Amino acid sequence: AQRVTQPEKLLSVFKGAPVELKCNYSYSGSPELFWYVQYSRQRLQLLLRHISRESIKGFTADLNKGETSFHLKKPFAQEEDSAMYYCALITTSGSRLTFGEGTQLTVNP
Amino acid sequence: NAGVMQNPRHLVRRRGQEARLRCSPMKGHSHVYWYRQLPEEGLKFMVYLQKENIIDESGMPKERFSAEFPKEGPSILRIQQVVRGDSAAYFCASSPSREGLDTQYFGPGTRLTVL
Repeated sequence: AQRVTQPEKLLSVFKGAPVELKCNYSYSGSPELFWYVQYSRQRLQLLLRHISRESIKGFTADLNKGETSFHLKKPFAQEEDSAMYYCALITTSGSRLTFGEGTQLTVNP
Repeated sequence: NAGVMQNPRHLVRRRGQEARLRCSPMKGHSHVYWYRQLPEEGLKFMVYLQKENIIDESGMPKERFSAEFPKEGPSILRIQQVVRGDSAAYFCASSPSREGLDTQYFGPGTRLTVL
């Protein structure tokens, strides 16, 4: 069975500092990986997916199959990045998203 | 497009009562997914439905829980004889298809509190 692990429940950085939210997964096949974000009082929304290979709001994530990781990075954090971030995967044969437990990012002024 | 709609947003029930949670997918979406988030945990898959069909209910508890997505109207997640452990946030998501693993779009959730 697939599993997603986000080792940090809380992450706090200062504005302008680099930020990296860690995500590791376990799955024997080739999954598709996602990052979802939930801002305060808003619904969960897709931030990016690895197949798109795009940068959204300055965030990027690279799938490392050797380390089974999909860490989310941003070189200069902004206060508006403060939110809950969830890493998730979906298998190519399945339909369900498997989520990690989430990382609450706080960007301090 | 109004996005995925869920109602009610908050629902309070006493132990033993029934809870009905509704989800209206985005326009043009025929695939609906339900997830549950217990306190301090991530979202866990419950069930995947297409119109009039349950495709995957492997994440749904065997007893007291049921889901449907009729030809007309919203998808319903029904919990009978609720217990305190059912207190959670229930999220619905929809997608237009499974082709190319379409993005799932989430509703705002229903927060169920069982007294």
